[in-house]
Amino acid sequence: GQNIDQPTEMTATEGAIVQINCTYQTSGFNGLFWYQQHAGEAPTFLSYNVLDGLEEKGRFSSFLSRSKGYSYLLLKELQMKDSASYLCAAMDSNYQLIWGAGTKLIIKP
Amino acid sequence: GAVVSQHPSRVICKSGTSVKIECRSLDFQATTMFWYRQFPKQSLMLMATSNEGSKATYEQGVEKDKFLINHASLTLSTLTVTSAHPEDSSFYICSARDLGVNYNEQFFGPGTRLTVL
Repeated sequence: GQNIDQPTEMTATEGAIVQINCTYQTSGFNGLFWYQQHAGEAPTFLSYNVLDGLEEKGRFSSFLSRSKGYSYLLLKELQMKDSASYLCAAMDSNYQLIWGAGTKLIIKP
Repeated sequence: GAVVSQHPSRVICKSGTSVKIECRSLDFQATTMFWYRQFPKQSLMLMATSNEGSKATYEQGVEKDKFLINHASLTLSTLTVTSAHPEDSSFYICSARDLGVNYNEQFFGPGTRLTVL
């Protein structure tokens, strides 16, 4: 079956760095997405990886290892506004997104 | 990026009534739109995939006669919750795929908060 695993909740300190891991098993693979979702709002796109390696975009970076079925989202210089849920989603061979349950990130001052 | 709108953003209705939610891609064409439902503190759950000009594909456990989907044009899909009940209260989110974008990103609407009394 198809499955996405990511931690339920993480806590980090303002100004620090946090890494949110995601492992996936899908029927075929057409890329790995990370979305940010604040409470009561729709998800917003953060990153997309389809090739192995690290993609950096400002304070956020995303890494993919296709052979390991593994990705992580790295957030640097954490700000209070980064408190949100982070959703990992893998696209399968039918171009359908398989969603993880999301990781709630709590930032403490 | 591409913009997707949803209307209404919030609706409160009485049990037994029907509610229509519109999803529009504003600056791109979307042959495929997706409807999700999200309960508090849970992840997105795909309800159905809406294809322009054809019947929607529903996920297992989603009643197609209760959640009517119409995708009449390349920029509009509607979800109608028929005979709504309190257990249908949820956050409904649509997304659309931009044909012009290479990596099949889905762009999300802002969501519709449905409360059934």
